Amino acid sequence: QVQLQESGPGLVKPSQTLSLTCTVSGGSINSDAYYWSWIRQNPGQGLEWIGHIYYTGSTYSNPSLKSRVIISLDTSKNQFSLKLSSVTAADTAVYYCARLSYKSSSYDPGWFDPWGHGNLVTVSS
Amino acid sequence: QSVLTQPASVSGSPGQSITISCTGTSSDVGNYKLVSWYQQYPGKVPKLMIYEGSKRPSGVSNRFSGSKSGNTASLTISDLQAEDEADYYCCSYAGSNTLKFGGGTRLSVL
Repeated sequence: QVQLQESGPGLVKPSQTLSLTCTVSGGSINSDAYYWSWIRQNPGQGLEWIGHIYYTGSTYSNPSLKSRVIISLDTSKNQFSLKLSSVTAADTAVYYCARLSYKSSSYDPGWFDPWGHGNLVTVSS
Repeated sequence: QSVLTQPASVSGSPGQSITISCTGTSSDVGNYKLVSWYQQYPGKVPKLMIYEGSKRPSGVSNRFSGSKSGNTASLTISDLQAEDEADYYCCSYAGSNTLKFGGGTRLSVL
């Protein structure tokens, strides 16, 4: 059974870069079967899709965050990572990584399962 | 990127059925059969309940069902139980490899 686990600092200073890693166990990220994604949830708020990556290295991100987001793969460690630059207090959130399944006939991504446990990141000086 | 529209809250009594709506546009919900629904308890990880609009993952109760009409998707929970009290989020593919979530609905079981 595939499991995902986020890791990274819980506190980031304003204007710096937030960096998180998701380690996948029980399955390989070097597979054409899924995308690998990041989602966040501001305290007491809803879910926001950040972006996802395919095993080829192709990345896709939320237009509202696109200029600040970098998602990358490290297949040797079975990990993928998120970097979010120029953070502000509005980026304070629980950050989740999740496996993203797609519709086989179109490669259109559709549903997130499973999810990691989440990593709370606070942006504060 | 605007979110999908969900009611902030719904409520029902045990044994009743409730429906949570998720309204998008012809560019997302209305154009793709790729709506998913997630259940989230406070402080917990979201759980997939419905995918591809109406399919249930293994282990999810058949009291949960999904449907779509036009630009609005719906999640129906029948025979409401106390354990169903949680937040529910819809999500839709929106084209060009982008996805949108709804704002979330708090379900109260009275």
